Amino acid sequence: EAGVAQSPRYKIIEKRQSVAFWCNPISGHATLYWYQQILGQGPKLLIQFQNNGVVDDSQLPKDRFSAERLKGVDSTLKIQPAKLEDSAVYLCASRKTFGTANHEAFFGQGTRLTVV
Amino acid sequence: TQLLEQSPQFLSIQEGENLTVYCNSSSVFSSLQWYRQEPGEGPVLLVTVVTGGEVKKLKRLTFQFGDARKDSSLHITAAQPGDTGLYLCAGRAAGNKLTFGGGTRVLVKP
Repeated sequence: EAGVAQSPRYKIIEKRQSVAFWCNPISGHATLYWYQQILGQGPKLLIQFQNNGVVDDSQLPKDRFSAERLKGVDSTLKIQPAKLEDSAVYLCASRKTFGTANHEAFFGQGTRLTVV
Repeated sequence: TQLLEQSPQFLSIQEGENLTVYCNSSSVFSSLQWYRQEPGEGPVLLVTVVTGGEVKKLKRLTFQFGDARKDSSLHITAAQPGDTGLYLCAGRAAGNKLTFGGGTRVLVKP
């Protein structure tokens, strides 16, 4: 079974530029998460989708971050404009169903963003 | 906001020693998961605990969920260099929201 695919693996941009990350979850997984992980810290949830609907985006900085999952499969996360403090690894994860307690979330390798 | 605090933040031990990592919260979670993350990779699930007081063993790793489902611990017996990594606890709340702790970085020296 293919895992969660993310691209690009690495991105370096200047502050005030825009950047987009792409995630292809495991086939059939209805729930998709985007996390931001700053070096030395645990992942922080940015947004959670159930199919193509947003379940939780309470910690997404909506003035500069946006995410979509138009057909309930692939997802993109965009930052516009980027700030220095956005430097982090952006992790995408997917989970099979909305309900059952023991279904694990599978993570991609992440995209490491450096803003200079 | 539900917060999970992990302690210690960093642990360096010699091969063969034991270690314990703690995960504490003031909130109740329906389940709690432990992940291990290696550099350049995403977190990988080790275990899920669901019932208060539950103890699960995975080879040399023992996981415990507190009776009140607010805290958990991970104990590693006879640690090996391959156990080196970032250990993360994550609590699952309503709506399948997964909230992670800050992580404990473990270094096992040969």
